[in-house]
This record gives sequence, structure tokens and C-alpha cells, in this order.
Amino acid sequence: EAGVTQFPSHSVIEKGQTVTLRCDPISGHDNLYWYRRVMGKEIKFLLHFVKESKQDESGMPNNRFLAERTGGTYSTLKVQPAELEDSGVYFCASSTGRVSYEQYFGPGTRLTVT
Amino acid sequence: QQPVQSPQAVILREGEDAVINCSSSKALYSVHWYRQKHGEAPVFLMILLKGGEQKGHDKISASFNEKKQQSSLYLTASQLSYSGTYFCGPTRTSYGKLTFGQGTILTVHP
Repeated sequence: EAGVTQFPSHSVIEKGQTVTLRCDPISGHDNLYWYRRVMGKEIKFLLHFVKESKQDESGMPNNRFLAERTGGTYSTLKVQPAELEDSGVYFCASSTGRVSYEQYFGPGTRLTVT
Repeated sequence: QQPVQSPQAVILREGEDAVINCSSSKALYSVHWYRQKHGEAPVFLMILLKGGEQKGHDKISASFNEKKQQSSLYLTASQLSYSGTYFCGPTRTSYGKLTFGQGTILTVHP
């Protein structure tokens, strides 16, 4: 079974530019989560999709961040315009949300804003 | 609110045991435990559900005290591969978000 995949693995952009991160969850997983780890700090929740609907977006830092999940499959997280404090590692995780609740994480996208 | 993990760091020799604790101030539905190695994704280890159900690793055990909102992860006969940062991630609903602790850095030496 393929795991959660994320693209790109690394992205370096300048302040003010736009970046789009992509996550492909494990097939059949209705729940998709975005998390972020800023250097030296804990992993923080950003938002949660159930299929294509946003279940919880309480962790989104501001309106520069836009997440979508097309047809309940892959998800994108767009940052526009990027600021220096957006640098960090963005993780995506998925779970079935049915019999078992464990969340399986992708390898992350390391975003550096200069 | 972020759960509190203790200790912040542990250094072991191969074969030694360790306990990592996680405390939350809010009522919990479940506690997840993950291990992350540098530059890699967090890897699922255990989940403890309200009511006593557990699922996870065959060489790692854990406990969940619902009344105290505390969980402990027990690593026995540690191996070099156990090195990494351990995170607890409580949830308040069955498929809700994980609220991670600050992590416990475990280092196992030969």
C-alpha cells in the first residue's frame, strides 16, 4: 500500500511569492490533515478535511493560507504571499476515520522563505 | 492547549528501559504516540483510546489514565533504532486533530 506522498520535498522562495504544496493521501482515506513544524517548535495542526469538506480549519494562521481538496482526493495548500515566518516543514497526514484512527504522515515539504 | 511531555531528553544504553510521560489539561478521547527521526516523517507507534483499547507496536507499550488525562510510553530493552524524538498527540474526538507535545529526544548508545 502506497503511503502519503507530498510534493515538492523542498521549496525555496522569496518573500512575497506564492507556493503551492501538494499532498496525496493513502487511497481510501477520507480524513486528510495538514500540520506544520516551525524550527525548534512543536508540530502544529493547520486544518482537517473530511473528503472534500473542511472539518476544522482552526489552525490556519491567516488568510494568506488557502487549502483545497479536490473531489476528496489530493489536497493543495497555497501560501500567497509568503512571509519569512511561513518557513518550516509542512506535513500532511491521512486516516480512514472509521475502524482505526491512527494518522499516517507524509515525508513533509520543507519550505524556506528568504 | 499543548500537552506537556517529560522528560525532555533521555540517553540510554542498548537494552535499557525508558518511560516517557504526556499530560494534558483537557478531557481526551485518545492519545497517539509517534516517533520522528531527523528529517523524516513522524511514524505512528501507538494509539490509546478512551475505554482502554490500544493498538500499535509489538515492542512498545503504553498506558492511558483517563481520569488524570495522562499517558505514558514504555520502551523496554531499547535498541539503537529507538533513537529519535517521541511525540504524544492527544485528540478530543475520534478523528480530530492531534495536538502535539514538545517532544522527548531519546538517544540510544551501543
